[in-house]
Amino acid sequence: QQQVKQSPQSLIVQKGGISIINCAYENTAFDYFPWYQQFPGKGPALLIAIRPDVSEKKEGRFTISFNKSAKQFSLHIMDSQPGDSATYFCAASRGSSNTGKLIFGQGTTLQVKP
Amino acid sequence: DAMVIQNPRYQVTQFGKPVTLSCSQTLNHNVMYWYQQKSSQAPKLLFHYYDKDFNNEADTPDNFQSRRPNTSFCFLDIRSPGLGDAAMYLCATKGTFGGTDTQYFGPGTRLTVL
Repeated sequence: QQQVKQSPQSLIVQKGGISIINCAYENTAFDYFPWYQQFPGKGPALLIAIRPDVSEKKEGRFTISFNKSAKQFSLHIMDSQPGDSATYFCAASRGSSNTGKLIFGQGTTLQVKP
Repeated sequence: DAMVIQNPRYQVTQFGKPVTLSCSQTLNHNVMYWYQQKSSQAPKLLFHYYDKDFNNEADTPDNFQSRRPNTSFCFLDIRSPGLGDAAMYLCATKGTFGGTDTQYFGPGTRLTVL
């Protein structure tokens, strides 16, 4: 119940294409869903996040789509660029808790080809 | 400006030789986290502090200890590093993103065990 399942494990996209990464969760107590971007040798950086009271959130080329009934959420990267090549982690937490412990997905390695 | 600072960025130690990694945060938040991340894996939570209240994850080995002398600083002590402890160690704290508390990660310390 504490798991967050992420797919695909790796993804190759041409420059200008759309990258889509999917995550699914089971624990309905989760109420905060961030996405992190991590470059090799760096710490994860918060990219975008959503709460389940909205079905979509967009920031620049990055969009989260959220389906509460299906307990799924996805990251869409529009007009993918080589600089987007990184590992992406979805996560979930009970944002209302004092400590906000994150449960991470397994990660997706994205390669954007020029 | 960096919100979470980790030192050193790279640490080499010998098998069984104690090592200490340090973390400081400028957000003055009462929660701090230590994660272990191995290659191609998601970050794995080792423990966290809520103020001075230490919370160990159930599967964190006894070999890993932590100290938090004040709000800003936190240390990870590995008492007898084994080859399997070679990893990236990430420190994180909480901050506000879009009106919601979320986790911010430091750049990590890459630990090599010889």
